[in-house]
Amino acid sequence: NAGVTQTPKFRVLKTGQSMTLLCAQDMNHEYMYWYRQDPGMGLRLIHYSVGEGTTAKGEVPDGYNVSRLKKQNFLLGLESAAPSQTSVYFCASSRLAGGHTGELFFGEGSRLTVL
Amino acid sequence: GNSVTQMEGPVTLSEEAFLTINCTYTATGYPSLFWYVQYPGEGLQLLLKATKADDKGSNKGFEATYRKETTSFHLEKGSVQVSDSAVYFCALSATGGGNKLTFGTGTQLKVEL
Repeated sequence: NAGVTQTPKFRVLKTGQSMTLLCAQDMNHEYMYWYRQDPGMGLRLIHYSVGEGTTAKGEVPDGYNVSRLKKQNFLLGLESAAPSQTSVYFCASSRLAGGHTGELFFGEGSRLTVL
Repeated sequence: GNSVTQMEGPVTLSEEAFLTINCTYTATGYPSLFWYVQYPGEGLQLLLKATKADDKGSNKGFEATYRKETTSFHLEKGSVQVSDSAVYFCALSATGGGNKLTFGTGTQLKVEL
């Protein structure tokens, strides 16, 4: 009954360090997404993937890279962390749906602090 | 581009009070509309949705009607409970594929005894 699992849940980084957030889903969903949540700004899409081996930029992609080597995993990387990347990161997945009626399933979030 | 505007929070209500959280949107074409809820320390989960004009989504006593003429999708509940305390996000998914959602900024609801 795992659904969408994110690791790590919490991380503190120094400016310039790198890290990778891992998202895993066990629902055989085609689509996966990375969002960031900041106070007063709601959720903003960073990158997304419509299938294994594919990725695309969302609304705020700068400073992040992603990879989708396996269908069930979607990795979000920060090559050189900046304080502006302090945020709560949410991964989500959805099944392939006709039109745009698909429900997104979210992980519990990863809180990242960059000092 | 697409956008969603929600009323600012926090909204504080007494238990059994009537709830309305306003949501308006801007989008091309015919978007689907959603309300997601985020309980403390958790990820978002779908509360209800509507995929075409005049559709009413409902779940757990919450309702919202897709009004194309006013580009609105207001969330309502007749009698709130303390357990409804959460952050509520209005969102849209526009034509173009990928099920990408555009979210509003969220409205925090606090229900007190």
